[in-house]
Amino acid sequence: LAKTTQPPSMEAYEGQEVNVSCSHTNIATSEYIYWYRQVPHQGPQFIIQGYKDYVVNEVASLFISADRKLSTLSLPWVSLRDAAVYYCIVTVPSSGSWQLIFGSGTQLTVMP
Amino acid sequence: EAAVTQSPRNKVTVTGGNVTLSCRQTNSHNYMYWYRQDTGHGLRLIHYSYGAGNLQIGDVPDGYKATRTTQEDFFLLLELASPSQTSLYFCASSETRTNSGNTLYFGEGSRLIVV
Repeated sequence: LAKTTQPPSMEAYEGQEVNVSCSHTNIATSEYIYWYRQVPHQGPQFIIQGYKDYVVNEVASLFISADRKLSTLSLPWVSLRDAAVYYCIVTVPSSGSWQLIFGSGTQLTVMP
Repeated sequence: EAAVTQSPRNKVTVTGGNVTLSCRQTNSHNYMYWYRQDTGHGLRLIHYSYGAGNLQIGDVPDGYKATRTTQEDFFLLLELASPSQTSLYFCASSETRTNSGNTLYFGEGSRLIVV
């Protein structure tokens, strides 16, 4: 089973770029990498997904190493609203179906 | 924007009590999920379904039943609630199986306390 390892916490100031790393050393060929975030009192919200190389959308960018064992979520110009728990997830096959397994995530604190 | 609505948002019940958590999604998604979230464990999948009448077992199913009555509605049933089931419960939906790259849309959560 592909598991992920993230730093438990990070801090940044408003306006800074934040890079959150995620290790997934046992990622399988067929697995994708997803990033979600969760603010208090709300459910997780999808940020970005990728399979290899580099992905960018209007919210964030995702860099995936050539061997796919490491990914980095990049948040440009963070604001106080970006304070959240960020989850890195790889898909895991279970009983013939596919699921997202959420770990403990990275708590991002944004300071004014 | 996908909409997933959960009810009740907060519930207190006694040990041995009967609880039903409801979830409705309005996007005709095929897949629906129930997760529980506890400090130190992240989100853990309880049950999921890929259509009306279907039910699949997740990672922590013990003590829970679920039923998918329609494409829109997915219920989580605790027939003999225990204090260990005190948790924050999230419902989610997705268009297809998550490995194909589709997004999960989560509800706002239902906080259950079993005393």
